[in-house]
Amino acid sequence: GAGVSQSPSNKVTEKGKDVELRCDPISGHTALYWYRQSLGQGLEFLIYFQGNSAPDKSGLPSDRFSAERTGGSVSTLTIQRTQQEDSAVYLCASSFDLYQPQHFGDGTRLSIL
Amino acid sequence: SQKIEQNSEALNIQEGKTATLTCNYTNYSPAYLQWYRQDPGRGPVFLLLIRENEKEKRKERLKVTFDTTLKQSLFHITASQPADSATYLCALVESNYQLIWGAGTKLIIKP
Repeated sequence: GAGVSQSPSNKVTEKGKDVELRCDPISGHTALYWYRQSLGQGLEFLIYFQGNSAPDKSGLPSDRFSAERTGGSVSTLTIQRTQQEDSAVYLCASSFDLYQPQHFGDGTRLSIL
Repeated sequence: SQKIEQNSEALNIQEGKTATLTCNYTNYSPAYLQWYRQDPGRGPVFLLLIRENEKEKRKERLKVTFDTTLKQSLFHITASQPADSATYLCALVESNYQLIWGAGTKLIIKP
């Protein structure tokens, strides 16, 4: 597609459930990033991929968060046993390589009841 | 660790005037700094990148400056229009390729 695509756009789930968020980056972009944005806040870095590899996972808030990327393309961010503090907008971005400006999707708005 | 400070208060500017937004950082000067625009419910959109050895960068009505002595970048929109109303984010690169983001400044251009 022309831009970064994220799905679902909105997700409401009960506390304790697992959720999976998907990101489809721009074709040919080797770098992919996940961020979290709470209302009125800046972007909190979670993880980045160079190809299928995630060199730095230290931004993930807890071991309930995991991410993978397959085929150098689609990425999924999984949150297990969701908590209310996980409620936020989760943004995905991709770039041609690590030094290039990032192109963002419109995010998944996650609400934990 | 590096911190970015952007004015958290909304900036109200009359249409046609120049809007100036400030981004201050606390520690070492980054290799480059980026500015993005974010509209409600949308992801950020890249506007300009300026490197540490560049004093100024322009793109149409946009201008960015980078002062490593003051540890500050200024973002200017000349001849501002209501369509320029949005939140503007600055971000700088860390040594491990991460971008550190400011919380953004909301700009409101009044007709």
